[in-house]
Amino acid sequence: GAVVSQHPSWVICKSGTSVKIECRSLDFQATTMFWYRQFPKQSLMLMATSNEGSKATYEQGVEKDKFLINHASLTLSTLTVTSAHPEDSSFYICSARGRWDNSPLHFGNGTRLTVT
Amino acid sequence: GESVGLHLPTLSVQEGDNSIINCAYSNSASDYFIWYKQESGKGPQFIIDIRSNMDKRQGQRVTVLLNKTVKHLSLQIAATQPGDSAVYFCAETNTGNQFYFGTGTSLTVIP
Repeated sequence: GAVVSQHPSWVICKSGTSVKIECRSLDFQATTMFWYRQFPKQSLMLMATSNEGSKATYEQGVEKDKFLINHASLTLSTLTVTSAHPEDSSFYICSARGRWDNSPLHFGNGTRLTVT
Repeated sequence: GESVGLHLPTLSVQEGDNSIINCAYSNSASDYFIWYKQESGKGPQFIIDIRSNMDKRQGQRVTVLLNKTVKHLSLQIAATQPGDSAVYFCAETNTGNQFYFGTGTSLTVIP
């Protein structure tokens, strides 16, 4: 159980275009979803927290107008990288948790974004 | 964000030996801790968790120890196997709010 599906697994886009990444909880209701970014050989950096039906809370230094997060349902959250630039190239990982307090985070398999 | 760090960025062990991966955290209010395993190109995989009212928890071949006095967390892997080679992260949270991750330790198992 507790499967999180992320799509696409990789994407290459041109500079200036926008890319949408989807994160779905397949067998549970994800009241909260988290978006992380990971550079090679580094840890996961929390970008934002989204709760179903409300606006996402962004971590300090993360541009909310650049990284648009939508959590429209209990099973789907999306991250849109707007006007992507090469420095946005990274590994983006979503995670989700159910409504029970202190349940573990379940992660998707990440999306490798390359901006050319 | 919170500061969660690891003492050893890399660790090499012989197959069959036990592995110990350490993690220090800075938020004394954190009450829930998780160890994750991440293989190359994949998302983190849950290994084991522990709550702050416990100091030890065991799973299959893995044990997590929590020392709240010194804010230290460790993951012990018994009889390490080649399939255990990966990067291991600890994560902490306070009452289920944001989860913050440590630096990570790369474990290499030598056959």
